[in-house]
Amino acid sequence: EIQLQQSGPELVKPGASVKVSCKASGYAFTSYNMYWVKQSHGKSLEWIGYIDPYNGGTSYNQKFKGKATLTVDKSSSTAYMHLNSLTSEDSAVYYCASTIGTIYAMDYWGQGTSVTVSS
Amino acid sequence: DIVITQDELSNPVTSGESVSISCRSSKSLLYKDGKTYLNWFLQRPGQSPQLLIYLMSTRASGVSDRFSGSGSGTDFTLEISRVKAEDVGVYYCQQLVEYPLTFGAGTKLELK
Repeated sequence: EIQLQQSGPELVKPGASVKVSCKASGYAFTSYNMYWVKQSHGKSLEWIGYIDPYNGGTSYNQKFKGKATLTVDKSSSTAYMHLNSLTSEDSAVYYCASTIGTIYAMDYWGQGTSVTVSS
Repeated sequence: DIVITQDELSNPVTSGESVSISCRSSKSLLYKDGKTYLNWFLQRPGQSPQLLIYLMSTRASGVSDRFSGSGSGTDFTLEISRVKAEDVGVYYCQQLVEYPLTFGAGTKLELK
């Protein structure tokens, strides 16, 4: 069974950083790009960027350059998103997703990781 | 960036009825390969988004044939026939013709 299992909720202080993980199982991890999407409370979805797990190549939404850094650990089939200099604007649910069944759409999603930035 | 616009549904829907959800793009999503890069997702309350339709009209694996997608280069429609309680949630359209990938604001489907 294909699964993307994300790390648990985070409560972090303003100015701190956080690293969200997404552990993949049930498919060839290095064969499919991993995407990251932000959903602020009650709002729509924003594409943050994607990483090619095979070679570590990345593409970011300009809005998130400098805020998010995407990495992978091929040995554990895990993708990571590091968010730095957190403010209240970064409080959101973050999803990882991949294009496994079709290259044309994110058809497998993690369960989401809630990040709350508060003092 | 490409702007995706989605309207609100005017009224809650009665179970068993059909409903159309619209989506418009600020730029044509028809690519030179002949494919139209528009996807539809459903996000049920408290869940992750679920892919329904990709490339404007292709149903994702396991998706009911009650869902169908259509459109042109900039105007798109998701049709849901015989609406069920399990269809309740927010429907998002998304473009993939160019980066950054962008989503619409969502259309909320409620039942009477």
